[in-house]
Amino acid sequence: EVQLVQSGAEVKKPGESLKISCKVSGYSFTSYWIGWVRQMPGKGLEWMGIIYPGDSDTRYSPSFQGQVTISADKSSSTAYLQWSSLKASDTAMYYCARWYQGGGWYFDYWGQGTLVTVSS
Amino acid sequence: DIQMTQSPSSLSASVGDRVTITCRASQSISSYLTWYQQKPGKAPKLLIYAASNLESGVPSRFSGSGSGTEFTLTISSLQPEDFAGYHCQQSYSTPYTFGQGTKLEIK
Repeated sequence: EVQLVQSGAEVKKPGESLKISCKVSGYSFTSYWIGWVRQMPGKGLEWMGIIYPGDSDTRYSPSFQGQVTISADKSSSTAYLQWSSLKASDTAMYYCARWYQGGGWYFDYWGQGTLVTVSS
Repeated sequence: DIQMTQSPSSLSASVGDRVTITCRASQSISSYLTWYQQKPGKAPKLLIYAASNLESGVPSRFSGSGSGTEFTLTISSLQPEDFAGYHCQQSYSTPYTFGQGTKLEIK
């Protein structure tokens, strides 16, 4: 069974750093892209970027390039999303999902989401 | 970036109704269009990929059509569990942008 299990909710202050995780099981971690999606409160979905854990090839949305870092650890089958200096505007739910090619590209399996709250 | 525009942003309908949600792309995206359903407090769920292909396990009352710049998601007969948010996404070119979402509510 394919599962993506994300780390728990975080409450941080502006300027703090943060790394959230997405642990994968049920398929070969290194053979599929994994992406991150932001959903701000009451808003739509935003594509942040994807990583191919096999070779760490990473693609970012221009909106998020330089604002976050996406990484992956093959030894633990875990993908990460990190911030070096959080802002209040980073408050959102963050989802990881497998980016799959099957007659087109799409997110076929999703994590449960990690709520990040940034407040002074 | 390719802009994806969904309409309507919200929709009220009754059980048994037929509803259609539209997604328009700012440029041609061929058939690289995906629809997701999202219930409150839950992660999105894949419904339709490549514009018209139903994901395994998704009820046949859901269907998708379109190519180029205009796409539709149709629910032929609304069921209580279908009241949710719906999102389209293009995978033609990065960044793989989403529409702003459509909230389907009970009338």
